[in-house]
Amino acid sequence: AQTVTQSQPEMSVQEAETVTLSCTYDTSENNYYLFWYKQPPSRQMILVIRQEAYKQQNATENRFSVNFQKAAKSFSLKISDSQLGDTAMYFCACWGSRLTFGEGTQLTVNP
Amino acid sequence: DTGVSQDPRHKITKRGQNVTFRCDPISEHNRLYWYRQTLGQGPEFLTYFQNEAQLEKSRLLSDRFSAERPKGSFSTLEIQRTEQGDSAMYLCASSLVGRGRSYEQYFGPGTRLTVT
Repeated sequence: AQTVTQSQPEMSVQEAETVTLSCTYDTSENNYYLFWYKQPPSRQMILVIRQEAYKQQNATENRFSVNFQKAAKSFSLKISDSQLGDTAMYFCACWGSRLTFGEGTQLTVNP
Repeated sequence: DTGVSQDPRHKITKRGQNVTFRCDPISEHNRLYWYRQTLGQGPEFLTYFQNEAQLEKSRLLSDRFSAERPKGSFSTLEIQRTEQGDSAMYLCASSLVGRGRSYEQYFGPGTRLTVT
């Protein structure tokens, strides 16, 4: 069985600042993948960033980067230079045999 | 690439009625997934297809739920004898298996079901 835990139900950050969202996971799969998805209000789920578990290098996509700590089963998302459009629910997810989501973190970027 | 589409976007129905939702995946994608998302929660896996074959079903998918993908393209999810507990967002996603990116799923906008 897989579990994904996001311990921060809500977070806020000032525009242009940096924020980190936390995620821990557990899986029995040897080969798995980790994702962060963004879901703006009343809009569809968008893939933000992906990380292959066999890669040691942390993934980066523009202002978004991850801190992947495999031994600790931790996968945090850092958003740099936060923008108002980053306001959304963020879900951490793990793909082993199926895609399992955490409960989400509501991020609000304040002007 | 027009993305994953779902129809209808919203559905209000009375308890006991049957409803059917449609999902059109990204055209070249061979895997199609259905999820259910309740307010404030992450999506929960329901079932998935590879081409026209339904390969896995979650225990969340009760006997009142049935999904089909008859020609390996679009899919339908039917809920019979709806209950108030079925009220949720039903999400569809698709992915392409075989080019090393099978783990990437692309989501549609969802169908929001309200059972009164």
